[in-house]
Amino acid sequence: EPEVTQTPSHQVTQMGQEVILRCVPISNHLYFYWYRQILGQKVEFLVSFYNNEISEKSEIFDDQFSVERPDGSNFTLKIRSTKLEDSAMYFCASRHTGFMNTEAFFGQGTRLTVV
Amino acid sequence: GDSVTQMEGPVTLSEEAFLTINCTYTATGYPSLFWYVQYPGEGLQLLLKATKADDKGSNKGFEATYRKETTSFHLEKGSVQVSDSAVYFCALTFKNSGGSNYKLTFGKGTLLTVNP
Repeated sequence: EPEVTQTPSHQVTQMGQEVILRCVPISNHLYFYWYRQILGQKVEFLVSFYNNEISEKSEIFDDQFSVERPDGSNFTLKIRSTKLEDSAMYFCASRHTGFMNTEAFFGQGTRLTVV
Repeated sequence: GDSVTQMEGPVTLSEEAFLTINCTYTATGYPSLFWYVQYPGEGLQLLLKATKADDKGSNKGFEATYRKETTSFHLEKGSVQVSDSAVYFCALTFKNSGGSNYKLTFGKGTLLTVNP
């Protein structure tokens, strides 16, 4: 069964360092997302990506964040200069179509710890 | 803005007990409603969904009915198993004007532990 895969599963980084979280969405999917969950809080939307551009981003997704689909298969989230409050579980998701009811498939998540 | 409020956890039940996890929502318009489940060490998986008022979503013995009048989508299961131990997330999506983005808005999640 096709699945969304994320790497690494856990990353520890020092404050101020850049991190890149990687995702391989399901191959025929067209809509891509990043969400995050700070421990004990809600899963929050960060950004959506379609047709090689950002279609929507939340207030959380400030200039420190960027996304790319560099090679047609990977979908990356870069945090330019990490802060302690960026520590969270980051989930990548993808959807096949633009219909409202189409299921979003999620990866296992990357736990980012900023020290 | 849109929001989802879930019953606070954790919930601990014995095997074969009845489960209810409450979920209410606030949204403009008519959202689609979802329950996602996260088993230990895994990603979020769609459990069930309902797309309009009075629809009932069901899967693996779980059910939830879209109640527009009470803006609720409570998750129920008649007899839980140890293998149902997981975190359950209520979520909604709706059509934004001008696009097909359909981002999900989640509740906080409810940890369910089922003991043998």
